[in-house]
Amino acid sequence: EAGVTQFPSHSVIEKGQTVTLRCDPISGHDNLYWYRRVMGKEIKFLLHFVKESKQDESGMPNNRFLAERTGGTYSTLKVQPAELEDSGVYFCASSPLGGVTDTQYFGPGTRLTVL
Amino acid sequence: AQSVAQPEDQVNVAEGNPLTVKCTYSVSGNPYLFWYVQYPNRGLQFLLKYITGDNLVKGSYGFEAEFNKSQTSFHLKKPSALVSDSALYFCAVRVLGNNNDMRFGAGTRLTVKP
Repeated sequence: EAGVTQFPSHSVIEKGQTVTLRCDPISGHDNLYWYRRVMGKEIKFLLHFVKESKQDESGMPNNRFLAERTGGTYSTLKVQPAELEDSGVYFCASSPLGGVTDTQYFGPGTRLTVL
Repeated sequence: AQSVAQPEDQVNVAEGNPLTVKCTYSVSGNPYLFWYVQYPNRGLQFLLKYITGDNLVKGSYGFEAEFNKSQTSFHLKKPSALVSDSALYFCAVRVLGNNNDMRFGAGTRLTVKP
């Protein structure tokens, strides 16, 4: 079974540009999560999809971030315009059930560098 | 609010020795605790979790963790470390009623030397 995949693995952009990150969850997993790890600190929750619906987006830092999951399969996270503080590693995770005890399976992450 | 602390940024052990990676938590309610490992250029891999029942949880690659409610800890252990265990380890906690918020620690880098 294929795991969670993310594209690209690395992205280097200049401040003010736009970047779109993609996540393909494990097939059949209705729940998809985005997280971010900045500057070697803790991994922080950004948002949670159940199928194509946003269940919780309380962790999104501001309105420069837009996440979508059209059709309830893969998801994209767009940052527009990017700022220096957006640099970090963006992780995607998926799980089948979404409950508090459910294991989330993570992708390899996208390392974003904003210059 | 819930939080997780990993008090050690770095842990160094010799191959063959036992290893411990520490994790303490602070929650209001019953905690559900997880350990993940990140190998270089790889994603976070699930190691084990504590939901309920036996306080000693066994997971992948010979790792285990002990839930200690009185000390609010969930330390990760392995009896005999391997060089291949060298990686970044993350502890995380979730609480019933706050399903979407998995709180992670800052991570502990484990280095096992031959």
